[in-house]
Amino acid sequence: NAGVMQNPRHLVRRRGQEARLRCSPMKGHSHVYWYRQLPEEGLKFMVYLQKENIIDESGMPKERFSAEFPKEGPSILRIQQVVRGDSAAYFCASSLRTPRDTQETQYFGPGTRLLVL
Amino acid sequence: RKEVEQDPGPFNVPEGATVAFNCTYSNSASQSFFWYRQDCRKEPKLLMSVYSSGNEDGRFTAQLNRASQYISLLIRDSKLSDSATYLCVVNRWTGNQFYFGTGTSLTVIP
Repeated sequence: NAGVMQNPRHLVRRRGQEARLRCSPMKGHSHVYWYRQLPEEGLKFMVYLQKENIIDESGMPKERFSAEFPKEGPSILRIQQVVRGDSAAYFCASSLRTPRDTQETQYFGPGTRLLVL
Repeated sequence: RKEVEQDPGPFNVPEGATVAFNCTYSNSASQSFFWYRQDCRKEPKLLMSVYSSGNEDGRFTAQLNRASQYISLLIRDSKLSDSATYLCVVNRWTGNQFYFGTGTSLTVIP
């Protein structure tokens, strides 16, 4: 009964390169969330997706960042032309139902630590 | 105003002590409440849900006060292994997110 899986666990990129972060939700979960956590800071919501749909991307920077959750395969968070300020831990979480459901909660993956040189 | 606010601490307590954290939320449409625990460089993990009548899980007790819009977590007989950051989380029936507080840091000292 695998939990939320993320890969890679660590990713090093040079400025200007692209970073692709993958997230496979828990089995049966169709709701995926991405968060960013800077060192010594709290979790910042980025985007909430369901299969083939972006539901809420209010926390996503307008440029260089995009996310998808295709019908088949993992959810992908893509960061183009990375800059040093993108260095952070990126966590993915999944839930069985929507955040509007009473007592629905979410489960986190181990995170991807991105370092931009 | 932030959706969820917590005292960041740090709280440094001796083993065996009782410690309490509070968390306030701003939106009255908030409907579900949780405490998560995050260890250094690890992912957040669900500690417990918070129910209207209050609930207990071993040494941990959670309370909800809807009138004042705050949630509390009480840890009794603190263990060294309780050292972590505790995150207050809410969701609401009008939203598309889970709203996280910035966390309260706890260190239990031998």
